[in-house]
Amino acid sequence: DIQMTQSPSTLSASVGDRVTITCRASQSISSWLAWYQQKPGKAPKLLIYKASSLESGVPSRFSGSGSGTEFTLTISSLQPDDFATYYCQQYNSYPITFGQGTRLEIK
Amino acid sequence: QVQLVESGGGLVKPGGSLRLSCAASGFTFSDYYMSWIRQAPGKGLEWVSYISSSGSTIYYADSVKGRFTISRDNAKNSLYLQMNSLRAEDTAVYYCARASNYGDYFPPYFDYWGQGTLVTVSS
Repeated sequence: DIQMTQSPSTLSASVGDRVTITCRASQSISSWLAWYQQKPGKAPKLLIYKASSLESGVPSRFSGSGSGTEFTLTISSLQPDDFATYYCQQYNSYPITFGQGTRLEIK
Repeated sequence: QVQLVESGGGLVKPGGSLRLSCAASGFTFSDYYMSWIRQAPGKGLEWVSYISSSGSTIYYADSVKGRFTISRDNAKNSLYLQMNSLRAEDTAVYYCARASNYGDYFPPYFDYWGQGTLVTVSS
């Protein structure tokens, strides 16, 4: 199974900050990586697929990059609505696996 | 707009069974692959199962293989998860999700999710 490891597990930041979350795969997954945002009590929401493709309707302050085993999700200027938990997911091979999540909290 | 509405969750004793349903609307259900994904209380996301648009290709996580069965009824725009021999570690919110279409055998990402249904396995 491909293990996905996110860092940091928790990130404290302020409105307007630029933040980056990292996701590492235990083996190469090419660009088959998605990012999701989840708020408490809600379903996850797709932000990014194929490592860097922005899902329709997602604000352009979100961006993704990387290939192989290392990937990043960047939020260019944090907005109040962005404080949530973020998950990466590999879809290179079965079983599909998710990172453990990064909780983005207000500093 | 795309809507996925899960139902069928509840409290069940260890060893018991439960059948989850997911009613889909707002898109041509028969054209899309679907999956179930779960989240234990306070934990991360765990993919459970996948079914192709025709139902001919199915995958399961090892943790549920042999106990859970995914199925679909395209005439009813519905996805199902039959869960047998339930264990305490199956306690979670279960989400149905629409999957990307890369082909029957290629793993997907998930572009729409339902609100989830809670399954609690406890004596």
